[in-house]
Amino acid sequence: DAMVIQNPRYQVTQFGKPVTLSCSQTLNHNVMYWYQQKSSQAPKLLFHYYDKDFNNEADTPDNFQSRRPNTSFCFLDIRSPGLGDAAMYLCATTVAGVTDTQYFGPGTRLTVL
Amino acid sequence: LAKTTQPISMDSYEGQEVNITCSHNNIATNDYITWYQQFPSQGPRFIIQGYKTKVTNEVASLFIPADRKSSTLSLPRVSLSDTAVYYCLVGEGQAGTALIFGKGTTLSVSS
Repeated sequence: DAMVIQNPRYQVTQFGKPVTLSCSQTLNHNVMYWYQQKSSQAPKLLFHYYDKDFNNEADTPDNFQSRRPNTSFCFLDIRSPGLGDAAMYLCATTVAGVTDTQYFGPGTRLTVL
Repeated sequence: LAKTTQPISMDSYEGQEVNITCSHNNIATNDYITWYQQFPSQGPRFIIQGYKTKVTNEVASLFIPADRKSSTLSLPRVSLSDTAVYYCLVGEGQAGTALIFGKGTTLSVSS
């Protein structure tokens, strides 16, 4: 059974049109992460939640926002997507206080037209 | 943040043992070493994790010397399906903080 679910798997949006990507988890993990991965590059951390505490990476653009309404769900909002935001977006979870093993979802591939 | 250094790419043939070494000179006392595997268009998948000496599971072994400044992922008898990118990550010492991916090693297995 899927443990970290991302919807949709493929998302197409237009330049400047807001888009929301979703992630849900059945693991009851208290930490959730969002990564951006561009072609042939390593995943780049955007931000993460430790319970309800939001932690933004210093170089994450303001165009990217996140919401975590409850333990199971986390959303990535891109307010005005540019062509450079086309990428795979990965959600991951972990349990704080254990050993830093992250469980990744399958990713959402975002195309910006 | 502990920085990791890995070879950009490696080539192997089916049935061979593959060893991928990762350098992490600034590893902190409480940090764990974790390896992930990633296939194209999929999320990374946990392979193995260790703190010191040797760890073995059903898919790989992880060797960590006493100074912990490096680690070696060993894949026994690779197959074509092991062609993937392998990432070495070092934890910040407190779970719940961010793990930063390095560039990874692209392993290509040929028949």
